[in-house]
Amino acid sequence: GQQLNQSPQSMFIQEGEDVSMNCTSSSIFNTWLWYKQDPGEGPVLLIALYKAGELTSNGRLTAQFGITRKDSFLNISASIPSDVGIYFCAGPIYGGSQGNLIFGKGTKLSVKP
Amino acid sequence: DVKVTQSSRYLVKRTGEKVFLECVQDMDHENMFWYRQDPGLGLRLIYFSYDVKMKEKGDIPEGYSVSREKKERFSLILESASTNQTSMYLCASRTSGSLTDTQYFGPGTRLTVL
Repeated sequence: GQQLNQSPQSMFIQEGEDVSMNCTSSSIFNTWLWYKQDPGEGPVLLIALYKAGELTSNGRLTAQFGITRKDSFLNISASIPSDVGIYFCAGPIYGGSQGNLIFGKGTKLSVKP
Repeated sequence: DVKVTQSSRYLVKRTGEKVFLECVQDMDHENMFWYRQDPGLGLRLIYFSYDVKMKEKGDIPEGYSVSREKKERFSLILESASTNQTSMYLCASRTSGSLTDTQYFGPGTRLTVL
């Protein structure tokens, strides 16, 4: 079945550093979503990508929809302490009804002030 | 702004108890979902519903049931709670207008079964 492989699993960085994480799949996706989950909260949508090659920004966050449609990348520039949390990639399940999503296992980001 | 609320942020129950987790959304969304989240396993879909009184099993439905009597409310029921159901439970909703529409999550309920 479809799977999303997200890496790295966790990152420990210094405040001000840039961050890069990615999501890959053996299947093609038509939509890529990136969510962030703050500690103790539900995931919140950061960026949605709908077209291969698309590059979309949301403040210091930039996400790209890979040309092969089998991967996506999320970059955070000049990280700050409130960037701490778990970042999930997600995409609609192929042939699935009702917009069911499949999620990566997440990248846990820790930022040292 | 879409708002998805869950009845409790934290819940502690004993093994064998019947547990109800409630979720309410205020955006008239057709589709609602229940996930559980465990460290290292990500989000796993338990059940979803695409209309009132309709429900479908997700990837891990065993030990759970759901109820959708009204469009805005989707309840997750643990008939007889067990310790391996200790987890974070997340509810989500989305409109059914387009497959590109995203899911919106509630804040989660952290359930501990003793």
